Amino acid sequence: EAGVAQSPRYKIIEKRQSVAFWCNPISGHATLYWYQQILGQGPKLLIQFQNNGVVDDSQLPKDRFSAERLKGVDSTLKIQPAKLEDSAVYLCASSLGGITDTQYFGPGTRLTVL
Amino acid sequence: EDQVTQSPEALRLQEGESSSLNCSYTVSGLRGLFWYRQDPGKGPEFLFTLYSAGEEKEKERLKATLTKKESFLHITAPKPEDSATYLCAVGASGSRLTFGEGTQLTVNP
Repeated sequence: EAGVAQSPRYKIIEKRQSVAFWCNPISGHATLYWYQQILGQGPKLLIQFQNNGVVDDSQLPKDRFSAERLKGVDSTLKIQPAKLEDSAVYLCASSLGGITDTQYFGPGTRLTVL
Repeated sequence: EDQVTQSPEALRLQEGESSSLNCSYTVSGLRGLFWYRQDPGKGPEFLFTLYSAGEEKEKERLKATLTKKESFLHITAPKPEDSATYLCAVGASGSRLTFGEGTQLTVNP
């Protein structure tokens, strides 16, 4: 069974530039999550989708971050404009449904903002 | 607000030297406690889910236990390939997963 796919794996940008990340979840998984993991910390949820609807985006900095999940499958996360403090690994995860269902993570995208 | 604290932050063991990692949590209405392993440059890899106090699960050299306030990940006779960061997360009713900051385990040959 194919896992969660993410691209790109690495991205280096200047502050104030924009960047986008892509995620393809495990086939059949209704719930998709985007996490931010700063070096030395645990992942922090940015946004959760159930099919193509947003369930939780309370920790998403909406002035600069946006995300969409078209047709309830693939998802993109965008940052515009980027700040130095956005340097982190952005992880995508998917699960069958609720809070007790296992979340399976992709390899992540390491973003460096200079 | 849900809180998860993992200790120690880092642990260095000799091969074969058994030990335990701790995950203390504060949550209202625990639905599940999750253990993940994360290797450098990779995403977290699922290990266990524990749902209620008294539950235990085992996988190879790893055994996870759960009480009403904490969970332990016991590592028996570890090998160098067990070196990784181990993450604990809790899920409560109507809320998101909250992760701890992890324990970085190094097993020397």
